[in-house]
Amino acid sequence: SQTIHQWPATLVQPVGSPLSLECTVEGTSNPNLYWYRQAAGRGLQLLFYSVGIGQISSEVPQNLSASRPQDRQFILSSKKLLLSDSGFYLCAWGPFAGGNNEQFFGPGTRLTVL
Amino acid sequence: AQSVAQPEDQVNVAEGNPLTVKCTYSVSGNPYLFWYVQYPNRGLQFLLKYITGDNLVKGSYGFEAEFNKSQTSFHLKKPSALVSDSALYFCAVRDISSGTYKYIFGTGTRLKVLA
Repeated sequence: SQTIHQWPATLVQPVGSPLSLECTVEGTSNPNLYWYRQAAGRGLQLLFYSVGIGQISSEVPQNLSASRPQDRQFILSSKKLLLSDSGFYLCAWGPFAGGNNEQFFGPGTRLTVL
Repeated sequence: AQSVAQPEDQVNVAEGNPLTVKCTYSVSGNPYLFWYVQYPNRGLQFLLKYITGDNLVKGSYGFEAEFNKSQTSFHLKKPSALVSDSALYFCAVRDISSGTYKYIFGTGTRLKVLA
């Protein structure tokens, strides 16, 4: 069966520090991968998605970047964190060929920037 | 452009009563619609989806949803609410207009089931 991992679970970082959040998927090949941010327990904002290694689409211009160095690994990064980067970050995957299939979400990373 | 609306920020219902969480959509072409649930500090869990076929879709934990093409709605329902159903619910539609596999989520509805 497929599983999706995110780490760390929680993170407290000072303003101006770098960030690296990692997401890995097991049990599937060539998944579509997604990064979302959820502010204040409400709506989801799509940040990045990827349909293959090295292929990243950015949805919102911001202080973050994403990379996909391996088929089942998706990394969210920042060189210098802002206060506004605080939030709950969710990674998700969906089958590559399945537009009518649901996404599967990881457990999330709670980021607090102080 | 594809969009999803959840008009209620919060829905309160007494335990044992039926519940409805509303969702309307706007898409070009046939809609692929989804419902997810999120418990505090957790990722989203898939509940059910409508792709084609019967308008009444049954999903996990006793939830069901009714697809209504004329009203462009996909409301989530449950005949008898449990306190443990209290959570944040999201409706989503797959964005097919851009040729990608993006999903558009509603703003979420917080369901509170009162004992």
